[in-house]
Amino acid sequence: EDQVTQSPEALRLQEGESSSLNCSYTVSGLRGLFWYRQDPGKGPEFLFTLYSAGEEKEKERLKATLTKKESFLHITAPKPEDSATYLCAVQADAGGTSYGKLTFGQGTILTVHP
Amino acid sequence: EAGVTQFPSHSVIEKGQTVTLRCDPISGHDNLYWYRRVMGKEIKFLLHFVKESKQDESGMPNNRFLAERTGGTYSTLKVQPAELEDSGVYFCASSQAFNEGLYGYTFGSGTRLTVV
Repeated sequence: EDQVTQSPEALRLQEGESSSLNCSYTVSGLRGLFWYRQDPGKGPEFLFTLYSAGEEKEKERLKATLTKKESFLHITAPKPEDSATYLCAVQADAGGTSYGKLTFGQGTILTVHP
Repeated sequence: EAGVTQFPSHSVIEKGQTVTLRCDPISGHDNLYWYRRVMGKEIKFLLHFVKESKQDESGMPNNRFLAERTGGTYSTLKVQPAELEDSGVYFCASSQAFNEGLYGYTFGSGTRLTVV
């Protein structure tokens, strides 16, 4: 069974204090690892997809990296507006052309104080 | 383009009643997914439609849950009869085939269901 574990559960940072969120996974053949951001009362918002070990993607203050067992979401010089829950999800390679379901971790609640 | 629309946004029903949730995906998205987040747990997959066909319904908890997608457009998820453990936030997501990796799945804001 595919599993995703995120740590820490919650992270409080001062504005400008860089840090990393961790996502450890086990999956029967990784098709893609997804990072999402979720604000209160909203649905998850897509950030990145990573496909293979060694891959990196960046968007503003966020950088996601991938190894064979885990992914990191690095946040550089965060701002209060980066406060949200960050979700990691994996998609197994089930064959076929449609990607199929995501298996999510519980998320990391990030709070950035001014 | 319009996003994924879900309604109602909130629903409070009594145990034993029936509730129907609706999801309108992004126009042209053949793939439609239902997920659920129960309090304190991770978001979990319920089922996946490709157009009007059920591709994968392995996450449906039991036969009190019935999902339909007539005509391959909007989808409904009916819970009948509702139990206390059905409380949670129900999310719908849609995607175009072959583009999931590039654009991810677009999620709706969810329906918060409370069974009392």
